[in-house]
Amino acid sequence: QKEVEQDPGPLSVPEGAIVSLNCTYSNSAFQYFMWYRQYSRKGPELLMYTYSSGNKEDGRFTAQVDKSSKYISLFIRDSQPSDSATYLCAIPLSGAFGNEKLTFGTGTRLTIIP
Amino acid sequence: GAGVSQSPRYKVAKRGQDVALRCDPISGHVSLFWYQQALGQGPEFLTYFQNEAQLDKSGLPSDRFFAERPEGSVSTLKIQRTQQEDSAVYLCASSSNPGQGASQYFGPGTRLTVT
Repeated sequence: QKEVEQDPGPLSVPEGAIVSLNCTYSNSAFQYFMWYRQYSRKGPELLMYTYSSGNKEDGRFTAQVDKSSKYISLFIRDSQPSDSATYLCAIPLSGAFGNEKLTFGTGTRLTIIP
Repeated sequence: GAGVSQSPRYKVAKRGQDVALRCDPISGHVSLFWYQQALGQGPEFLTYFQNEAQLDKSGLPSDRFFAERPEGSVSTLKIQRTQQEDSAVYLCASSSNPGQGASQYFGPGTRLTVT
C-alpha cells in the first residue's frame, strides 16, 4: 500500500466553482501535511502546510486534515483559470539526521474552464 | 533572492551515454534533496544531503546513479550508461534547516529523455 494515495483526475470545472482535491494516507503517525502546486514544465511550489488535524485557510485556499479517517483535502474557492495546474499532496517522512524526504501523491491535474 | 536553479533544463541522451545534472540550491540552505518525477506521477525521493554529507541514498534506483555535493552547496546527479527507463524529470529541492517544519523549495527540474 502506498503511503499517500491521490485520485489523478483529470478534473475540469468552470471558472468560479469550488474545487475539492483529496488524498488518503496510510500511517496514523503522520503529523505534517502539505499541498504543492505544479504548473506545466515547472517545479512544485508549496501552497499550504498544516500540522495535525483541523483547517488552515489562506485566501481562496483551505487545507483540511481529518486524522480519524486519514483524509486530507484542499478546497479552492472562486476558482480562476490561473489555478489550472497539477496539485500534489505530500507528507514528510521523518528520518535520521533531519531527513524530511517527501512522499507525494500521484497529483491531480486540474483545469479551470473560463 | 534567487530560488533553486537547475541545469540543463532539457537533456537528450542516447542509450548508454553518461549524463550530469546540476543543482544550485538557495544560498545557505543546509539540506538538499533529489527527486525523480516520471510522466503523470508525483516526485519520488532519490537522495538527501546535509551540507556535504550524503545521509540517505535509499531512493537511488541502481548503482548507475551517483550524487555528490562536495562543498555543501552545488550538487550534481550523475547517471551512467543511461537507459530508456531513466527518462523522467529530475527535481532538486533545498531547505534551510534539517528537521521537522522546514519547507522544501524546488527547482524547475531537468527533463531527461533517453533515446
